[in-house]
Amino acid sequence: QKEVEQDPGPLSVPEGAIVSLNCTYSNSAFQYFMWYRQYSRKGPELLMYTYSSGNKEDGRFTAQVDKSSKYISLFIRDSQPSDSATYLCAGSDSWGKLQFGAGTQVVVTP
Amino acid sequence: DVKVTQSSRYLVKRTGEKVFLECVQDMDHENMFWYRQDPGLGLRLIYFSYDVKMKEKGDIPEGYSVSREKKERFSLILESASTNQTSMYLCASRYSGRPYEQYFGPGTRLTVT
Repeated sequence: QKEVEQDPGPLSVPEGAIVSLNCTYSNSAFQYFMWYRQYSRKGPELLMYTYSSGNKEDGRFTAQVDKSSKYISLFIRDSQPSDSATYLCAGSDSWGKLQFGAGTQVVVTP
Repeated sequence: DVKVTQSSRYLVKRTGEKVFLECVQDMDHENMFWYRQDPGLGLRLIYFSYDVKMKEKGDIPEGYSVSREKKERFSLILESASTNQTSMYLCASRYSGRPYEQYFGPGTRLTVT
């Protein structure tokens, strides 16, 4: 069983809609929780991270972590076609070893 | 800007060949990583290195080896390529004090025929 589970999608939404992405994880040792964004034919890039439980907001993006239920979420408000990408969630233990989900492909249609 | 470069974007090799994938980073990062990415499986860690001449096995090291003789360079070696090693290979580097932030290269699409 993978330590981080993520629905691969694809998730298709109209421009301006809210995109909601979720992951579950099983490793209680995770301290950092990350969302990476990967455009086609590119390597992933860090979008946001949170330390332990709680919310973090950055512009149109909000990341949430609920350690009690081992649930990681990313919300994208006012989605744009340029948000079309694959979004990967990840958890990291204190040693900094990352475990990634499979990635969810998001398509925002104009 | 941090830059992680990989020696090839596309590579086609035959079964049994020895394959070298090179990765270079320009930000003096201590940690470097090799992943493979497959549809439905996501990123899986092959090997990582905390510092020069140090290496640790990741989750799927079988069939691979690595070399890190200089801080900026991390090489992945497929000793005898097999068709099940056809995949996208991604290199990443990281400052050890920021465990959440890995910088990835553009990837090498390796096809083994």
